[in-house]
Amino acid sequence: DAGVTQSPTHLIKTRGQHVTLRCSPISGHKSVSWYQQVLGQGPQFIFQYYEKEERGRGNFPDRFSARQFPNYSSELNVNALLLGDSALYLCASYTTGDYGYTFGSGTRLTVV
Amino acid sequence: DAKTTQPNSMESNEEEPVHLPCNHSTISGTDYIHWYRQLPSQGPEYVIHGLTSNVNNRMASLAIAEDRKSSTLILHRATLRDAAVYYCILRDVMDSNYQLIWGAGTKLIIKP
Repeated sequence: DAGVTQSPTHLIKTRGQHVTLRCSPISGHKSVSWYQQVLGQGPQFIFQYYEKEERGRGNFPDRFSARQFPNYSSELNVNALLLGDSALYLCASYTTGDYGYTFGSGTRLTVV
Repeated sequence: DAKTTQPNSMESNEEEPVHLPCNHSTISGTDYIHWYRQLPSQGPEYVIHGLTSNVNNRMASLAIAEDRKSSTLILHRATLRDAAVYYCILRDVMDSNYQLIWGAGTKLIIKP
């Protein structure tokens, strides 16, 4: 079975631009979460979606938004990019009964 | 903020056991102790979790102190592939968001 897939793997954007990151969870997993990981730090929670509804939001500005589609895939959108948004963005999926989250390999976003 | 504290780094020799400590003095009765690890250039990977009793799986063992204020992840025979950042995380089962709050983790260095 395919794991959690994220696209693109790497991305370079200019300050002020908009970016969309995509995530496909493991088949059958209805919960998707997004995390931001700055170099040298642990991941920080951004959003959680379950059955297409937002169930949790971390301490991130409104420039960050997300949605989950009927097939449970998800998009993370970031508007008006800042240099500080440069990070590894991780997607994780989960299903009831799992012991833990399954993470994708992430999207490395560089803002210049 | 993370509710756990871990050493920044540890070194161990290949094929020897490794004990990774974690302090969580403010743990509540509904907090599970989770361990994840992150290999270089990859997303985090679930390792093990427990509530009160010691736990074993194919990857590692988790030893939990009787007062639950500390725990130790045990890798019985470290290999070079175990070199990673190891994160100890408390997850409240009453938290419907399933948000994981990560610290900086312990960077495990394996010497050949």
